[in-house]
Amino acid sequence: ETGVTQTPRHLVMGMTNKKSLKCEQHLGHNAMYWYKQSAKKPLELMFVYSLEERVENNSVPSRFSPECPNSSHLFLHLHTLQPEDSALYLCASSQSSREGNYGYTFGSGTRLTVV
Amino acid sequence: DAKTTQPNSMESNEEEPVHLPCNHSTISGTDYIHWYRQLPSQGPEYVIHGLTSNVNNRMASLAIAEDRKSSTLILHRATLRDAAVYYCLCQGNLIFGKGTKLSVKP
Repeated sequence: ETGVTQTPRHLVMGMTNKKSLKCEQHLGHNAMYWYKQSAKKPLELMFVYSLEERVENNSVPSRFSPECPNSSHLFLHLHTLQPEDSALYLCASSQSSREGNYGYTFGSGTRLTVV
Repeated sequence: DAKTTQPNSMESNEEEPVHLPCNHSTISGTDYIHWYRQLPSQGPEYVIHGLTSNVNNRMASLAIAEDRKSSTLILHRATLRDAAVYYCLCQGNLIFGKGTKLSVKP
């Protein structure tokens, strides 16, 4: 496989469930990202793993928990979500250096519905 | 990180050229300008990038102002499949703005 692969493509979960979103990149990139896109809203950066450091958006609730076991895999663990968390969750990767990021490749996203 | 400004929406007729503008007046001298587009229900995809000189690829052309404070993405012949939200970013910027929603009329 090539590019950035996200699974599952669609997920419906109850507010008391625990689930995980998975992202895998086969591009040799060294940075990975989670973005959230709610209906008719801009992309919202949630978490960044770059150069083995994690940077997060402080406005992201603790019910979202990222995990990056290596440079090719990224997870987003979900627990006790709210209906307003329903959105398209996008994973991206890039090649990052001290000078900056070189291009993003996005996955197709996971469409999450919280019921 | 340099902030970008784009019109919220634009319309085009099929088979006609489209010029999508972006202002990035605070861009630093070494930042590349990147363009992405997002089709409905998909993740953003790379379109083109450049530093100072105009760039062409199979998808589009990128015209960069001499002072680098603005750029224009050019679709030479818009098709219905080009209807998408187009984002302009300066290198290193992780924040996507609202982009420009391009509508293409048959």
